[in-house]
Amino acid sequence: GDSVTQMEGPVTLSEEAFLTINCTYTATGYPSLFWYVQYPGEGLQLLLKATKADDKGSNKGFEATYRKETTSFHLEKGSVQVSDSAVYFCALSIGETSGSRLTFGEGTQLTVNP
Amino acid sequence: EAQVTQNPRYLITVTGKKLTVTCSQNMNHEYMSWYRQDPGLGLRQIYYSMNVEVTDKGDVPEGYKVSRKEKRNFPLILESPSPNQTSLYFCASSQDTTYEQYFGPGTRLTVT
Repeated sequence: GDSVTQMEGPVTLSEEAFLTINCTYTATGYPSLFWYVQYPGEGLQLLLKATKADDKGSNKGFEATYRKETTSFHLEKGSVQVSDSAVYFCALSIGETSGSRLTFGEGTQLTVNP
Repeated sequence: EAQVTQNPRYLITVTGKKLTVTCSQNMNHEYMSWYRQDPGLGLRQIYYSMNVEVTDKGDVPEGYKVSRKEKRNFPLILESPSPNQTSLYFCASSQDTTYEQYFGPGTRLTVT
């Protein structure tokens, strides 16, 4: 079945450091890919998305490029802030129910220290 | 304000005592889903609904029921809760063409 694998956490960085969170996927079809972020005590929020190969999603300084050849969607940010501390989830959706069915990775806890 | 609301936010109950977690959205979305979040497992889909009276199982439906009698509401029912259903539960909704799901704030359930 479809699956998403994220790099193990937790990840701890200093402010202004470069961030990469790896995400790879396995899918039988042609998925759409997402990064969601969960701030402490809150629900998940969509951070960015990409719906076809070579698309780059971006938001709030975060970027991720849909790489079909490596089945990856790695999240990057050039300079993290303390306010970026959160749990980040990579996810995919596929098929005719793609508006309703997401498969998530395990999540990566990011802590940014001042 | 566009939002998904869940109630209660926190619930402690005992094994076998039926409970319902409510979910409501004000965005006129057709799709609604329930997920559970467990450490090291991410979020797993329990049930989803594509419209009123249309529901289907997700990845981990055992021990849960849902209903969709109105477009805005999608309650999650645990007929006989067990300790392995202790988890953080999220409701989500979406429109079918935008792919973005909007999540509620979560319900932390403890079954003793």
